[in-house]
Amino acid sequence: AQSVTQLDSQVPVFEEAPVELRCNYSSSVSVYLFWYVQYPNQGLQLLLKYLSGSTLVKGINGFEAEFNKSQTSFHLRKPSVHISDTAEYFCAAGGTSYGKLTFGQGTILTVHP
Amino acid sequence: DTGVSQDPRHKITKRGQNVTFRCDPISEHNRLYWYRQTLGQGPEFLTYFQNEAQLEKSRLLSDRFSAERPKGSFSTLEIQRTEQGDSAMYLCASSLIQGQETQYFGPGTRLLVL
Repeated sequence: AQSVTQLDSQVPVFEEAPVELRCNYSSSVSVYLFWYVQYPNQGLQLLLKYLSGSTLVKGINGFEAEFNKSQTSFHLRKPSVHISDTAEYFCAAGGTSYGKLTFGQGTILTVHP
Repeated sequence: DTGVSQDPRHKITKRGQNVTFRCDPISEHNRLYWYRQTLGQGPEFLTYFQNEAQLEKSRLLSDRFSAERPKGSFSTLEIQRTEQGDSAMYLCASSLIQGQETQYFGPGTRLLVL
């Protein structure tokens, strides 16, 4: 069975600083990996996804993530954050025949001025 | 593309009452998923439809829960005899069939059971 662990429940940073949100997964089968963002009282919006190919994936809003098979990680990064990036971020793994996603517990990113 | 919509957005009910939620997926999407998200946790898979067929149910989905997608378009999730532990955000998502297509999420229905 798949499992996803987000290593930090909360990450506070100052505006324009770089940020990394960490995600580890465990799976015995091929895995697809996703990062979603959730703003208060809203649904989840896809930031980026890794299905195959290049291990460095670029997404929306300047985010990128790197798939590392040997370390079973898929960390999310942004070189310079904005106040508007304040939200909760979820890492998820797929790969079943019907596309069910297994989510991590979430990381709350708070960007301070 | 109007996105995935869910109704109602909020529901407050008393313990023991029945509630029903509706999800309208993106029109050409064959797959529809229901997830439940409790405070401080990530979404957890509940059930999955491909067109009108319910093909997978999580063990989280007790006998009090039932989901339908009668014509392969909108879906309903009913909870009978609600319990306080059912309080959560119920999220619906839809996708196309090919491979691991992106799941598009609705805004969710927040349920509070008093």
